[in-house]
Amino acid sequence: DVKVTQSSRYLVKRTGEKVFLECVQDMDHENMFWYRQDPGLGLRLIYFSYDVKMKEKGDIPEGYSVSREKKERFSLILESASTNQTSMYLCASTPPRGRQYFGPGTRLTVT
Amino acid sequence: AQTVTQSQPEMSVQEAETVTLSCTYDTSESDYYLFWYKQPPSRQMILVIRQEAYKQQNATENRFSVNFQKAAKSFSLKISDSQLGDAAMYFCAYRSALSGNQFYFGTGTSLTVIP
Repeated sequence: DVKVTQSSRYLVKRTGEKVFLECVQDMDHENMFWYRQDPGLGLRLIYFSYDVKMKEKGDIPEGYSVSREKKERFSLILESASTNQTSMYLCASTPPRGRQYFGPGTRLTVT
Repeated sequence: AQTVTQSQPEMSVQEAETVTLSCTYDTSESDYYLFWYKQPPSRQMILVIRQEAYKQQNATENRFSVNFQKAAKSFSLKISDSQLGDAAMYFCAYRSALSGNQFYFGTGTSLTVIP
């Protein structure tokens, strides 16, 4: 079974802090994704990566950056956390023509 | 960009009854995949069922089945013999088979199962 893990289930940070969310998958998938999930808005794509060091902006990239130095790891970075970035963050990976496999999510609270 | 619409923010069903969740999508492509994902409260998102657009036969997984109407761009999920464990948020998703790597998700339907 594919496993996608995220570094934290719950995270509380202060406004202005730099925040790192890490995601690791164990199935050698090329494609990895970061989503933000908010009630009533569904899943919104922040960034995705289709290979090591390759990334593309999704629908809401502002205030976020990503890093993919190794195929199995995809990091989401909040350069200066703000209260409007309080949300659930979901990581996913997928093979070229397949379904998405999701991590358990990180619920981030910025105070 | 493709859009996926779930017009029912909330649904409820009596235990053991059948419920249908609606999903419509907008695309000009002919080859694509459609998915239903389930997200139980505070738990991981999991795949419920998948449909390839080129297949005319509706996908079925145990108590879960879809009604795929390609011309109408409709992809509804039917849950038969509903169980308490079916209570969750359900998301419909679209993926092109030809172009790009993105998935497009609906806004979700929250399903409550009444004992």
